[in-house]
Amino acid sequence: EADIYQTPRYLVIGTGKKITLECSQTMGHDKMYWYQQDPGMELHLIHYSYGVNSTEKGDLSSESTVSRIRTEHFPLTLESARPSHTSQYLCASSGYASSGGYSTDTQYFGPGTRLTVL
Amino acid sequence: GDSVTQMEGPVTLSEEAFLTINCTYTATGYPSLFWYVQYPGEGLQLLLKATKADDKGSNKGFEATYRKETTSFHLEKGSVQVSDSAVYFCALSFNNAGNMLTFGGGTRLMVKP
Repeated sequence: EADIYQTPRYLVIGTGKKITLECSQTMGHDKMYWYQQDPGMELHLIHYSYGVNSTEKGDLSSESTVSRIRTEHFPLTLESARPSHTSQYLCASSGYASSGGYSTDTQYFGPGTRLTVL
Repeated sequence: GDSVTQMEGPVTLSEEAFLTINCTYTATGYPSLFWYVQYPGEGLQLLLKATKADDKGSNKGFEATYRKETTSFHLEKGSVQVSDSAVYFCALSFNNAGNMLTFGGGTRLMVKP
C-alpha cells in the first residue's frame, strides 16, 4: 500500500499569490493524479502523469500546472490564486511500484489540501 | 463512455441498522470496481475492491459483490456504527487505461446513536 503525503493540509491565502501544493509518495508508483473536489463532493481529475517528464490535463480544465521531475514528487502550482480556486485538492498514485516490483490498479490517495483564497 | 451511478444521499441510519448503498456501472468490458470512503476533512481511503465477476470484496464489516449480470457493486454492512459516518464513493477503472478512475457522485452516510 502506498504512503502518500500532501502539504500543507490547510492553506488560506490572498488573491494573486503564487502557491504550490506538494504531493509525495514513497512506493515509487509510476502514475500520479491530482483531483479537485467541490463542496458537493464530486471529484474532478485535473492533472495526471504516467511517469517522469510526463504530464497531461484531466477532464476538468484548470488554471493550475504540474511537473514530474522525480518519480515520487508531483507538485501543483497556481501562478495567481483567485477565490474561484477555493477547493479541496487530492493527490493519488498507482501503477508499477519500482520499490516493490509489483503493479497495482488501485489509486491510493493522500489526505488532501484544503485551499481557501480570500 | 464509462459511468458510475450510486444512490443519492444523505442516508441516515440508527446505530446497528443494516446498510445498503447501491452502485451500478456502465462500461465496455470488465473493469475493476472499488469502494472508497472519505471521513470528514480527509482524503479518500480504499475500503474494498473486486477485479472480476462474482468476486466479493470485504473490509471492516463492509462487503460488495461484483455482479456482471446486473452491472452492480452494492455496498452492504450488517450493523453500522456512528464511526461509519462518512462519504462513500463507488468507482471503476481499467488497468490498460492508466488506472483512470470513474467515480460515482458519492453518498453521504450519517449514523445516529
